[in-house]
Amino acid sequence: LAKTTQPISMDSYEGQEVNITCSHNNIATNDYITWYQQFPSQGPRFIIQGYKTKVTNEVASLFIPADRKSSTLSLPRVSLSDTAVYYCLVGDVNTGFQKLVFGTGTRLLVSP
Amino acid sequence: NAGVMQNPRHLVRRRGQEARLRCSPMKGHSHVYWYRQLPEEGLKFMVYLQKENIIDESGMPKERFSAEFPKEGPSILRIQQVVRGDSAAYFCASSALTGRNTEAFFGQGTRLTVV
Repeated sequence: LAKTTQPISMDSYEGQEVNITCSHNNIATNDYITWYQQFPSQGPRFIIQGYKTKVTNEVASLFIPADRKSSTLSLPRVSLSDTAVYYCLVGDVNTGFQKLVFGTGTRLLVSP
Repeated sequence: NAGVMQNPRHLVRRRGQEARLRCSPMKGHSHVYWYRQLPEEGLKFMVYLQKENIIDESGMPKERFSAEFPKEGPSILRIQQVVRGDSAAYFCASSALTGRNTEAFFGQGTRLTVV
């Protein structure tokens, strides 16, 4: 299983763009990169998933360089409600969701 | 469309008692996953079930813990003879299928406190 490394915490202000980078040096050919968000006292919520290049949805963008050894979750114009823990998961989703490993995540604090 | 429902939200048990945690997956979902989360830590996979089958229990402690997902009714995570170290948040997730772009939906969790 590919190990992931993320910053433990990040601080930002409302309206700024936040980029959270995840390192996954030993990512395998069949692995996808998935990001989840977790608010206090709630279960994680799917944000975005990608394999290579760039993926964008209504919530975030995911940038994956050609070597796929890292990925960056980009949150445009964050608000206070984006304060949460963000998890980067790497794994072959074809072998089952349970194979995706949650690390300790990045704790994002958005201030006014 | 109701999401993944877990109950109870909070459960207090004395050491040695049994804890039963319930999870009703989203409508149409036949895959259920249980995770445990200790304070300030990430989620740790415990068990993956489909209807009437345990598919992967590699994350389950060998003793005192069991899980089921019967043909009818919710999935149950059962912890016998609870100890203080079992205190944690237990999350259930469900998905419609496995494979590419599988998205699992999580419930709000059951917070177990062992006193």
